[in-house]
Amino acid sequence: EAGVTQFPSHSVIEKGQTVTLRCDPISGHDNLYWYRRVMGKEIKFLLHFVKESKQDESGMPNNRFLAERTGGTYSTLKVQPAELEDSGVYFCASSQMTVLDSPLHFGNGTRLTVT
Amino acid sequence: GESVGLHLPTLSVQEGDNSIINCAYSNSASDYFIWYKQESGKGPQFIIDIRSNMDKRQGQRVTVLLNKTVKHLSLQIAATQPGDSAVYFCAENSGGSNYKLTFGKGTLLTVNP
Repeated sequence: EAGVTQFPSHSVIEKGQTVTLRCDPISGHDNLYWYRRVMGKEIKFLLHFVKESKQDESGMPNNRFLAERTGGTYSTLKVQPAELEDSGVYFCASSQMTVLDSPLHFGNGTRLTVT
Repeated sequence: GESVGLHLPTLSVQEGDNSIINCAYSNSASDYFIWYKQESGKGPQFIIDIRSNMDKRQGQRVTVLLNKTVKHLSLQIAATQPGDSAVYFCAENSGGSNYKLTFGKGTLLTVNP
């Protein structure tokens, strides 16, 4: 079984530019999550999809961040325009059921550096 | 509140010793707890979990202890090996959520051969 894959693994952009991160969850996992870790701090929840629907986007920092999951398969997270404080590692995870019933499977993350 | 500081708590042990990593969780309504291991360049990997109706759970070389009274969680690793070197995160299901996890700051474990 292929794991959660994320692309790109690294991205370096200038402040004000746009970046789009992609996540391919494990096949058959309806639940897809985005988390991020900024400046070596905690890993923080951004949002949760069930299939193509956003169930909880309470962790999205501001309206410069847009997540989509058209068709309920892969997801994209776009940052536009990027700011310096957006630098960090963005993790995608997927699960078959709730986190209580099935563990989250994380991708290796996209390291975003905004200069 | 927001965490301050960029430095992770660290734990350095000798190969073969037992390691204990501690975590204080924040929400008394959380009822499910997980330990994750994150190696450099990889995503967090599930190690072991525990529900609030238990105070101890054992896996292979790992044991998780839960003290709900003081909202404390610990991970014990027996006979620590160099391959155990990683950052360890505790996580709770935020206030009893079925989907959302709140992670702790992480502890960097270094195993010296």
